[in-house]
Amino acid sequence: EPEVTQTPSHQVTQMGQEVILRCVPISNHLYFYWYRQILGQKVEFLVSFYNNEISEKSEIFDDQFSVERPDGSNFTLKIRSTKLEDSAMYFCASSEVPRNTEAFFGQGTRLTVV
Amino acid sequence: QKEVEQNSGPLSVPEGAIASLNCTYSDRGSQSFFWYRQYSGKSPELIMFIYSNGDKEDGRFTAQLNKASQYVSLLIRDSQPSDSATYLCASSGDTDKLIFGTGTRLQVFP
Repeated sequence: EPEVTQTPSHQVTQMGQEVILRCVPISNHLYFYWYRQILGQKVEFLVSFYNNEISEKSEIFDDQFSVERPDGSNFTLKIRSTKLEDSAMYFCASSEVPRNTEAFFGQGTRLTVV
Repeated sequence: QKEVEQNSGPLSVPEGAIASLNCTYSDRGSQSFFWYRQYSGKSPELIMFIYSNGDKEDGRFTAQLNKASQYVSLLIRDSQPSDSATYLCASSGDTDKLIFGTGTRLQVFP
């Protein structure tokens, strides 16, 4: 069964460092998303991406965040200068078509900022 | 502020019983509703989605939607200990994003 894969599964970084989280969406999917979940809290939308551009972003997704699809398979989330409060699980998701359809989630990257 | 509300639980049911999970949403523009299951430390796993008023059944799971009351529910029949997890309700409207509730923790005891 096709699945969304994310690497690494766990990343520890020092405050102020840059991190790149990687995702390989399901191959025939065209819409990509990043969500995060701070421990004990709800899953929060960060950004959606289609046709090589951001289609929507949340208030959380400020200038320190960026997304990119560097090739035909990878989808990345970069955090430029990490803060302690960026510690969370980051989930990549993809869907075949937009809006009101099923989004499938990767297994997540646990980011710990120390 | 568009919100999805869920009782955090835990909801405890005996094995074989029906578990009933509920969710309300604030945005009348919401069009589709999703139930995800999340085991501790894992990612959300889609169980089913519903966008029409009424019931939708898939195996042991039935989703119910009442747009007039802004209410969504998930029934799990013949609950198993392996169903013990946090169940996340999510909505989407005319944009791409999913808005999640905080989740209801379900415990199924033997």
